[in-house]
Amino acid sequence: GAVVSQHPSWVICKSGTSVKIECRSLDFQATTMFWYRQFPKQSLMLMATSNEGSKATYEQGVEKDKFLINHASLTLSTLTVTSAHPEDSSFYICSAPGTHFHGYTFGSGTRLTVV
Amino acid sequence: QQQVKQSPQSLIVQKGGISIINCAYENTAFDYFPWYQQFPGKGPALLIAIRPDVSEKKEGRFTISFNKSAKQFSLHIMDSQPGDSATYFCAASKGGAAGNKLTFGGGTRVLVKP
Repeated sequence: GAVVSQHPSWVICKSGTSVKIECRSLDFQATTMFWYRQFPKQSLMLMATSNEGSKATYEQGVEKDKFLINHASLTLSTLTVTSAHPEDSSFYICSAPGTHFHGYTFGSGTRLTVV
Repeated sequence: QQQVKQSPQSLIVQKGGISIINCAYENTAFDYFPWYQQFPGKGPALLIAIRPDVSEKKEGRFTISFNKSAKQFSLHIMDSQPGDSATYFCAASKGGAAGNKLTFGGGTRVLVKP
């Protein structure tokens, strides 16, 4: 089946630094990638939708200059958290529409801790 | 605006029992209703999904019941096992394009006691 590989699985960084999270579609082409944020014991909150070759679409309230999304190829989308602060600590998950109608494949998630 | 409401927030069931989770949606344009299972520290995994042209779908111990007129759908986990202890999310999306986003319910934490 369709697999989305997400790396790193966890990362600890200092305040003020930037962190890049990668999501790769391994056996299919992902023209679209959804990026979610999940706080402990809460649901997934859609942050933005990336489309290969065009600018990402951000949900209301999400700072596009802080959460930089790049979808440079049909198999790679990246999320960069710039100038990270402790409040950015969260679980970030990507998801791509799969190869069958309306199927969505999720990455394994990235636990970001900003200290 | 929460378009998909999920209940209960948490559920404790004995091994062998039935877990029932309910979701209600508002947008009548939704035409795809999946359920996801998530273990701690992992991404969600698709469990089962249904479209509004059927009222029930069963896969193994998991069954989705769908009531279009009431705009409600539910997940039943039969013969619940300790390995089913996880957080379950219902979701919905609309349209025929694969790029349409999912709207998630708030999640239900299920604990199956041995």
